[in-house]
Amino acid sequence: KAGVTQTPRYLIKTRGQQVTLSCSPISGHRSVSWYQQTPGQGLQFLFEYFSETQRNKGNFPGRFSGRQFSNSRSEMNVSTLELGDSALYLCASSQGLRYVAETQYFGPGTRLLVL
Amino acid sequence: AQKVTQAQTEISVVEKEDVTLDCVYETRDTTYYLFWYKQPPSGELVFLIRRNSFDEQNEISGRYSWNFQKSTSSFNFTITASQVVDSAVYFCALSEAMGETSGSRLTFGEGTQLTVNP
Repeated sequence: KAGVTQTPRYLIKTRGQQVTLSCSPISGHRSVSWYQQTPGQGLQFLFEYFSETQRNKGNFPGRFSGRQFSNSRSEMNVSTLELGDSALYLCASSQGLRYVAETQYFGPGTRLLVL
Repeated sequence: AQKVTQAQTEISVVEKEDVTLDCVYETRDTTYYLFWYKQPPSGELVFLIRRNSFDEQNEISGRYSWNFQKSTSSFNFTITASQVVDSAVYFCALSEAMGETSGSRLTFGEGTQLTVNP
């Protein structure tokens, strides 16, 4: 099975712009989660989508949003970029089972640099 | 609130040495899951192990072994006979068992940078 894929792998934007990142989960996985990794804050949970619905949300401002499509692919959007948004954005997928904490399988990440 | 602490920021060893990475967690849940992931320089997080709170058996997988002790809220990871390819950042993570409408989320520790020198 192909793993989780993320596009683009690298991105450079300027302050005030917006950006959209894409994630394709492992085939058959219906849950997609997004994480932000920075040197200062470490790995932090952004949100999780299942069946096109946001099922869980971390503590990030409303500038960070996401969506999921019927084929389980997911996008996350960051509007009005700030320098502090420079980070590695990781997407993870899992089957989406309830009542257990499943193993999440991660993609290679998108490295975003905001100038 | 959940919290994971990896007190060792960096560890440097010489090849073939054994090394233990510490992980201490905090949670009020009685049912929870613990994970270890490896992050090589490429950036992708590679899954190593998942353990639930009711399974305190230690696990061994090749050169890797894990020691789960609920009494001390620790889930330590040992690499036996380390190799240069083991050099990476290792993350311990915690997740509670999700309910009917809530999804999954991982709370990560700060990570331990392991360098294995030839």
